[in-house]
Amino acid sequence: DIQMTQSPSFLSASVGERVTLSCKASQNINKYLDWYQQKLGEAPKLLIYNTNNLHTGIPSRFSGSGSGTDYTLTISSLQPEDVATYFCLQRNSWPTFGAGTKLELK
Amino acid sequence: EVQLVESGGVLVQPGRSMKLSCAASGFTFSSFPMAWVRQAPTKGLEWVATISTSGGSTYYRDSVKGRFTISRDNAKSTLYLQMDSLRSEDTATYYCTTYSSGFDYWGQGVMVTVSS
Repeated sequence: DIQMTQSPSFLSASVGERVTLSCKASQNINKYLDWYQQKLGEAPKLLIYNTNNLHTGIPSRFSGSGSGTDYTLTISSLQPEDVATYFCLQRNSWPTFGAGTKLELK
Repeated sequence: EVQLVESGGVLVQPGRSMKLSCAASGFTFSSFPMAWVRQAPTKGLEWVATISTSGGSTYYRDSVKGRFTISRDNAKSTLYLQMDSLRSEDTATYYCTTYSSGFDYWGQGVMVTVSS
């Protein structure tokens, strides 16, 4: 199985700050990388698919980039409603999720 | 609006069976592959199984292969997960999802607890 490693595990940031979350795969995943947001007590929600494609209805402050084994989710200006845990997922082979990055407000 | 509503979760003893259902609406169910994803309490997410649009192809994670069966009824716009020989490690919230550009849309989840 392809292992997905997310960093950092926890992140505290201020409103308006630019935030970057990382995800590293144990092998090349050919940009089959998605990002999901899960707020407390809710189901996860797809934000970005195939590295850099914004899902329907997702604000443009979210963006993704990367290739090979290294991928990034960027929030250009953090909003209070962005407090959540963020998971990456690879779909190059049997789907595997990262352990998540918990994002909090400073 | 896409809606996925899971049902069937309860407390069950190890070794017993349970069947989850997911009623879909707001989209053409028969045109989308579907999947189940689970999340153990305070843990991360884990893909469980995927099914093609016709139901003719199914895929499972190794730990549930031979015990779980994913199926669908396109006439009823409903997805199922038959879970047999349940183990304590199957305790989780189970989510029904569409599977097109990633896991696009998710249900609210149903809790399955396996305990004696």
